[in-house]
Amino acid sequence: DGGITQSPKYLFRKEGQNVTLSCEQNLNHDAMYWYRQDPGQGLRLIYYSQIVNDFQKGDIAEGYSVSREKKESFPLTVTSAQKNPTAFYLCASSIPGYAYTFGSGTRLTVV
Amino acid sequence: DQQVKQNSPSLSVQEGRISILNCDYTNSMFDYFLWYKKYPAEGPTFLISISSIKDKNEDGRFTVFLNKSAKHLSLHIVPSQPGDSAVYFCAASEHFGNEKLTFGTGTRLTIIP
Repeated sequence: DGGITQSPKYLFRKEGQNVTLSCEQNLNHDAMYWYRQDPGQGLRLIYYSQIVNDFQKGDIAEGYSVSREKKESFPLTVTSAQKNPTAFYLCASSIPGYAYTFGSGTRLTVV
Repeated sequence: DQQVKQNSPSLSVQEGRISILNCDYTNSMFDYFLWYKKYPAEGPTFLISISSIKDKNEDGRFTVFLNKSAKHLSLHIVPSQPGDSAVYFCAASEHFGNEKLTFGTGTRLTIIP
């Protein structure tokens, strides 16, 4: 079955630590995205990548970093520079002209 | 600056009646619009879309209406069913095939049995 896998489902981070969220897809989609969901704020775009080895900042990229070394993988690192990292993180992928396919999300909590 | 707005955070509808979810946008460059449905702790799933060259698109119980002059779209669900209870997001992009989407804040729909 094709799809997007995000891991882990729940993640706890101590203040000052970097943490990496995994996103893997086997849909052969060129484009991948990271969104953040906060209560009452909808989904906000963090980073996106339309092709391997290339990515662009979204609306709220500060404090985050990504890499796209393989078509299947688009990991997101939440760095200590992100002041309010507690949120639900969603990864998605797409091909041109088609709707996104989303993963099931990772809930990150800073403790 | 919220370019896509869903002004009703929540909506309750009797089972069997029509649910109408609304969405407004400010960016006149948007011309492709989508609706997604989301259950708690899951990723959104695509429901229906519409291009700016149309004013209506229908798929089973779901119909999306677009009023470009008013920068407004709506999703109609008829008849509403308990499984429709979820959060609904509208999203927009500047052209069909532009994969970067801007999402609204969501409306939580509750269907009352």
